[in-house]
Amino acid sequence: SYELTQPPSVSVSPGQTARITCSGDALPKQYAYWYQQKPGQAPVLVIYKDSERPSGIPERFSGSSSGTTVTLTISGVQAEDEADYYCQSADSSGTNVVFGGGTKLTVL
Amino acid sequence: QVQLQESGPGLVKPSQTLSLTCTVSGGSISSGSYYWSWIRQPAGKGLEWIGRIYTSGSTNYNPSLKSRVTISVDTSKNQFSLKLSSVTAADTAVYYCARGGSPFDYWGQGTLVTVSS
Repeated sequence: SYELTQPPSVSVSPGQTARITCSGDALPKQYAYWYQQKPGQAPVLVIYKDSERPSGIPERFSGSSSGTTVTLTISGVQAEDEADYYCQSADSSGTNVVFGGGTKLTVL
Repeated sequence: QVQLQESGPGLVKPSQTLSLTCTVSGGSISSGSYYWSWIRQPAGKGLEWIGRIYTSGSTNYNPSLKSRVTISVDTSKNQFSLKLSSVTAADTAVYYCARGGSPFDYWGQGTLVTVSS
């Protein structure tokens, strides 16, 4: 079955830039999406179609794509950005939805 | 503003069928071209897509759950539902309903379902 691979954890100091990667063979063909999830809360969509930002999401959140890897970048990380981040996409057929395993962002 | 709310039993016995309903408010479930989805998350683990239903009634299911899952929609009640049969302890999770088939732009708050005798 199709998988998306994320690093389990990323740590940065406040004000620095955090980069979270997500790898998958079908990513050149399928859009990627990113969700932020804080403890006890439902996930929130922060990036769609690889690099688009929904209304209400701070500009410090951005996304990019290169080949089989997509990247979520958080510039000028703030303490409130500490959360789990999940990438999501679909297999090459577009029929089956897949989530990455999640990355815990720690703000030191 | 679209809102989703999951409802259903919080405790299900092993081998029985888990049944949840998602009630949509702030908009008609049959307006627009949307999928409506179920996603779950075991405690301390990641998100797992269960399946989705289109407003026409067509469905897609996670291949690993397909033999046990049924998602249906009741447009008259503005609801869609999940049935997961033959549950085991491994099905214990927070279950979320969401708008969209990919991506998911609105989510319910989630409901914890525990499988235990």
